[in-house]
Amino acid sequence: DQQVKQNSPSLSVQEGRISILNCDYTNSMFDYFLWYKKYPAEGPTFLISISSIKDKNEDGRFTVFLNKSAKHLSLHIVPSQPGDSAVYFCAAQGSYIPTFGRGTSLIVHP
Amino acid sequence: EPEVTQTPSHQVTQMGQEVILRCVPISNHLYFYWYRQILGQKVEFLVSFYNNEISEKSEIFDDQFSVERPDGSNFTLKIRSTKLEDSAMYFCASSGELGTDTQYFGPGTRLTVL
Repeated sequence: DQQVKQNSPSLSVQEGRISILNCDYTNSMFDYFLWYKKYPAEGPTFLISISSIKDKNEDGRFTVFLNKSAKHLSLHIVPSQPGDSAVYFCAAQGSYIPTFGRGTSLIVHP
Repeated sequence: EPEVTQTPSHQVTQMGQEVILRCVPISNHLYFYWYRQILGQKVEFLVSFYNNEISEKSEIFDDQFSVERPDGSNFTLKIRSTKLEDSAMYFCASSGELGTDTQYFGPGTRLTVL
């Protein structure tokens, strides 16, 4: 039962280029979406979120896009930096409990 | 910056033993959560806790699990009789409000059941 899917387990990007991480969901009751970043030996850290009433939210180098009709969201990181190398989890919630995807491991090469 | 802390960082136990995982949420938060992540799998919700009561729990959170806020600062997860499949990272989280308020996660406790 994968209500939140991150189909790419890993992504490798050159420093300075754009990183695009994708996420699909199946439950139309989800109305709030989050991205978390996780470094090894640490817990997930909140990165950015978007409500279903919006289609874009931007915070510095991070932008999240939401396409409700396609049940798809993406996280753009521009420009990518080596310190962005981490596992990125997409999460979606309809109540206050997020349902997480399996994560995408991003590696940014210098 | 305030943070959620968890102890121990790694717990090794024998199958059938009881374990207690401890968490200190952010001090002015009111909502507390436990999640787990089995190696290579997604982060899964276990339970949420508010006003000294469980407010929601998943099907994973069966009778072997219990949570408690024994004092004003600690939030604990007890597994009464551990099974091999309980081996996972257990994350505690807290938030100030429900809904869209951000949940802040602790660094996790790695539980290994032998």
